[in-house]
Amino acid sequence: DIQMTQSPFTLSASVGDRVTITCRASQSIHIWLAWYQHKPGKAPKLLIYRASTLQSGVPSRFSGSGSGTEFTLTISSLQPDDSATYYCQQYSGYPYTFGQGTNVEIK
Amino acid sequence: EVQLLESGGGVVQPGGSLRLSCAASGFTSNLHAMSWVRQTPGKGLEWVSGLTAGGDKTYCADSVKGRFTISRDNSKSTLYLQMNSLRVEDTALYYCVKDEGPAVTGRFDPWGQGTLVTVSS
Repeated sequence: DIQMTQSPFTLSASVGDRVTITCRASQSIHIWLAWYQHKPGKAPKLLIYRASTLQSGVPSRFSGSGSGTEFTLTISSLQPDDSATYYCQQYSGYPYTFGQGTNVEIK
Repeated sequence: EVQLLESGGGVVQPGGSLRLSCAASGFTSNLHAMSWVRQTPGKGLEWVSGLTAGGDKTYCADSVKGRFTISRDNSKSTLYLQMNSLRVEDTALYYCVKDEGPAVTGRFDPWGQGTLVTVSS
């Protein structure tokens, strides 16, 4: 199975800060990576797919980059509504696997 | 608006069975593959099983192979997960997810609200 490792595990930042989350794959997954936002009690939400394509309706402050084994999710200006857990997921091959999640807190 | 509504979760003893359902609306369900993804406190998010739009191909994680069966009834726009020989480690919140097209590609949007399965004696 392809292992996905996210860092950091927890992140605390202020409104307006630029925030970056890293996701590493145990082998090349090309660009077959998605990012999801998950708030407590709600359904996870697709933010980015194909490593850098913004899902329709997602604010432009979210962006993704990377290919191969290293990827990043960036929030250019953190907003209070961005408090959530963020997961990366590879869909290069079965079984599809997720990172362990990054909890983003607002200071 | 696309909606996925899971049901069928509950408390079951180890070795028992449950059948989860996911009612889909707001899109032509027979044009989209569907999957089940679960979330546990210990292991985070885990893709469980997927099924093509036509129901002709299924895929599943090794952890549930031989115990769980995914199926669908496109006439009812409903996805199912039959779970047999349940184990304590199957305790999780089970999400129904829609794929982007007819094949199980792994790009999941949207997700349902989830149904909770607890396996305990």
